[in-house]
Amino acid sequence: QKEVEQNSGPLSVPEGAIASLNCTYSDRVSQSFFWYRQYSGKSPELIMSIYSNGDKEDGRFTAQLNKASQYVSLLIRDSQPSDSATYLCAVSPRGAGNNRKLIWGLGTSLAVNP
Amino acid sequence: GAGVSQSPRYKVAKRGQDVALRCDPISGHVSLFWYQQALGQGPEFLTYFQNEAQLDKSGLPSDRFFAERPEGSVSTLKIQRTQQEDSAVYLCASSLVSGINYEQYFGPGTRLTVT
Repeated sequence: QKEVEQNSGPLSVPEGAIASLNCTYSDRVSQSFFWYRQYSGKSPELIMSIYSNGDKEDGRFTAQLNKASQYVSLLIRDSQPSDSATYLCAVSPRGAGNNRKLIWGLGTSLAVNP
Repeated sequence: GAGVSQSPRYKVAKRGQDVALRCDPISGHVSLFWYQQALGQGPEFLTYFQNEAQLDKSGLPSDRFFAERPEGSVSTLKIQRTQQEDSAVYLCASSLVSGINYEQYFGPGTRLTVT
């Protein structure tokens, strides 16, 4: 079982709809959770970080974390064609000292159709 | 301020050649990470520095891979005797370790093609 799992998609939503992206992780003591967006041929771009249970909102993006269920999600409201990209979930396990290497899922491909 | 920069952006090497990839992190960022990303995959951790100290090199795939950050700023990832399986995008990220903020910011990557 991979440490961080995501549905590879593609997830296709119409413009203006809510896109829901999901991620599960296996290490129960993981501390930090991140969503990155990656356009084709580009490097990952940080969208959201979340460290405690509950919801965190930033503009059209909401991250949700449930440590008991080992589940983190990203909601994108009012989806735009420019949101079409691969969304990567990354988890930082509890490590020695300040090492916060990221363990990554394979990414979910999102297509927003005009 | 400037983000993370990497050079070269593209590198083509013949099998058996040595290559050196450079990363210039965001000024003041203590932590520096190298990742390898194959096509269609998520990034895979290679190694981690805190200032000039290499604290974790568990992800380096073989002893042909070597990384350094001698002055705690610029880092170089060196691959000796390149093989075709080394073809990938090499990503560098830096992080300002402050409290619980461990957000990592990525450079544009170096795409290595070994022929």
